Amino acid sequence: DTGVSQDPRHKITKRGQNVTFRCDPISEHNRLYWYRQTLGQGPEFLTYFQNEAQLEKSRLLSDRFSAERPKGSFSTLEIQRTEQGDSAMYLCASSLGGQANSPLHFGNGTRLTVT
Amino acid sequence: DAKTTQPPSMDCAEGRAANLPCNHSTISGNEYVYWYRQIHSQGPQYIIHGLKNNETNEMASLIITEDRKSSTLILPHATLRDTAVYYCIVRPSFGNNAGNMLTFGGGTRLMVKP
Repeated sequence: DTGVSQDPRHKITKRGQNVTFRCDPISEHNRLYWYRQTLGQGPEFLTYFQNEAQLEKSRLLSDRFSAERPKGSFSTLEIQRTEQGDSAMYLCASSLGGQANSPLHFGNGTRLTVT
Repeated sequence: DAKTTQPPSMDCAEGRAANLPCNHSTISGNEYVYWYRQIHSQGPQYIIHGLKNNETNEMASLIITEDRKSSTLILPHATLRDTAVYYCIVRPSFGNNAGNMLTFGGGTRLMVKP
């Protein structure tokens, strides 16, 4: 299965530490999205890339968060100086193009716990 | 803000059809209706989407009313593995270079019971 892959699946870190997550999209997909999901809520949009260009960022993406997609393939999401409020599931999705009729396909997420 | 309204929870007997309603009364003419589901500890799974016509695939059927203000997702023979949160999403269409991202609401928690 060549679906969206995220690594690691789980990450426990202490407050103040930096963490980095990786997402490998479906190979031919040029769109890549990052979402965050807290317990009992639906996923919330963070940012998206078209190829290597980051085209939009949500207000949820504070300056401690940075995302990259250097070669238009895999992407990384880094959180600096983690806070307990950053504890959430971080989801990555990809799509072929940006048309409204091109579905997003999600990975199984990275669950972050900040202690 | 999400543009859809769904009941927070529903039950369905195993083997029966599960009919999940969604209200999207402010939908625009070029906006698609998408359905995803999320099983515990997994990412959202794409089910189906449609614009005006009813759609069917191997997972489900999507019935969109003629005025497009509401839709129903039908799982024809629900199994225990269909227990999940189901999200109905209206997706804007601004052209290929725009975000066109999905905005999730609270969804419907479907419990399939034996």
